[in-house]
Amino acid sequence: AQTVTQSQPEMSVQEAETVTLSCTYDTSESNYYLFWYKQPPSRQMILVIRQEAYKQQNATENRFSVNFQKAAKSFSLKISDSQLGDTAMYFCAFMKGIYGGSQGNLIFGKGTKLSVKP
Amino acid sequence: NAGVTQTPKFQVLKTGQSMTLQCAQDMNHEYMSWYRQDPGMGLRLIHYSVGAGITDQGEVPNGYNVSRSTTEDFPLRLLSAAPSQTSVYFCASSYNRDRANYGYTFGSGTRLTVV
Repeated sequence: AQTVTQSQPEMSVQEAETVTLSCTYDTSESNYYLFWYKQPPSRQMILVIRQEAYKQQNATENRFSVNFQKAAKSFSLKISDSQLGDTAMYFCAFMKGIYGGSQGNLIFGKGTKLSVKP
Repeated sequence: NAGVTQTPKFQVLKTGQSMTLQCAQDMNHEYMSWYRQDPGMGLRLIHYSVGAGITDQGEVPNGYNVSRSTTEDFPLRLLSAAPSQTSVYFCASSYNRDRANYGYTFGSGTRLTVV
């Protein structure tokens, strides 16, 4: 069975600074996908970034980037130039892949609550 | 385009009552799923469906029932509510199972309290 671990229940960062959220996972699969989802106080779940395990290159979406270390089974999220609107719960998630696609179900970590301070 | 619509947004139930949480999507998505979110636990999969007429259990299915008679709707039924089912419930969908790796569309959630 796959597991996802987020070891930082809470973090805070000053506005405009950089913060890194940690995530490790355990799987015996070679084909899988990793995600970071953001949940602001509105409760809406928003996809921040995704990574395909068979791609060496780290995914980047504007101020958000990941450090994907496949051998170490680590998938951290870096937020640059933090903004007040980044205040949210962040969830790391895993999805098993199958040939040509995915198994479909997400396995989530317990989340990291990020506070951006002015 | 409404996306994924969940109703109600809030609900209080008494122990032993039954109710149905509604989920509807207008994107012609084949894959739909229900998750519950508890403090300190992340989101956990309850049930999912890969298409009309097909459902399967997730990690925490006990006490819940689902059916999928149409592509658009995927209701979640609580058969006899218990305080342990107090949670926030999310419905999510994707075009199909294979393309779920591009990310889900989530509903806005239902906060359920069982007293």
